[in-house]
Amino acid sequence: NAGVTQTPKFRVLKTGQSMTLLCAQDMNHEYMYWYRQDPGMGLRLIHYSVGEGTTAKGEVPDGYNVSRLKKQNFLLGLESAAPSQTSVYFCASSSTGLQNDEQYFGPGTRLTVT
Amino acid sequence: GENVEQHPSTLSVQEGDSAVIKCTYSDSASNYFPWYKQELGKGPQLIIDIRSNVGEKKDQRIAVTLNKTAKHFSLHITETQPEDSAVYFCAAMDSSYKLIFGSGTRLLVRP
Repeated sequence: NAGVTQTPKFRVLKTGQSMTLLCAQDMNHEYMYWYRQDPGMGLRLIHYSVGEGTTAKGEVPDGYNVSRLKKQNFLLGLESAAPSQTSVYFCASSSTGLQNDEQYFGPGTRLTVT
Repeated sequence: GENVEQHPSTLSVQEGDSAVIKCTYSDSASNYFPWYKQELGKGPQLIIDIRSNVGEKKDQRIAVTLNKTAKHFSLHITETQPEDSAVYFCAAMDSSYKLIFGSGTRLLVRP
């Protein structure tokens, strides 16, 4: 099992450009999450999904959109990138989203917006 | 909503010594508290967790304690080794089953 994989690993964008980050999991998990990690701020939830075809807003959803067309994939889109979106993005998945249910994280995507 | 504070932000210990990282949370309804370890260039990985009906949990050299009255929980690492060097995050699961993370502690174990 590959677990949770993310594509790409690194990306540099110019302000106003768009891009999509891809997350894939092979554990048949129902729940998937997108976080951003900034220095001194831990991980903050952007959007999450409780199952195929569903999405919901997290703590910092502005400027991002997501889609969960297939159970194994969770896409994070930036329609018009801004320097404030420079961050490391992590995808995670869990089986049920409940207590004691481990969230498995991908290796991250480092995004720089100039 | 839930807010989690974590201290210290950096911690340097001599190999073999113990390390303690502390977190406080604000929402008394939170009842699940995991700890994650993040090595350089990798995603966070769960190392231990505790539920609110338990005061302490141990797994070899790591332990977590929880004080629900005071709303704080701590990670204890004994007999530290260089491979324990990493960033550690605490988290609390809020009433809607979302994890709220602390700001992280960078632990350096000096050989």
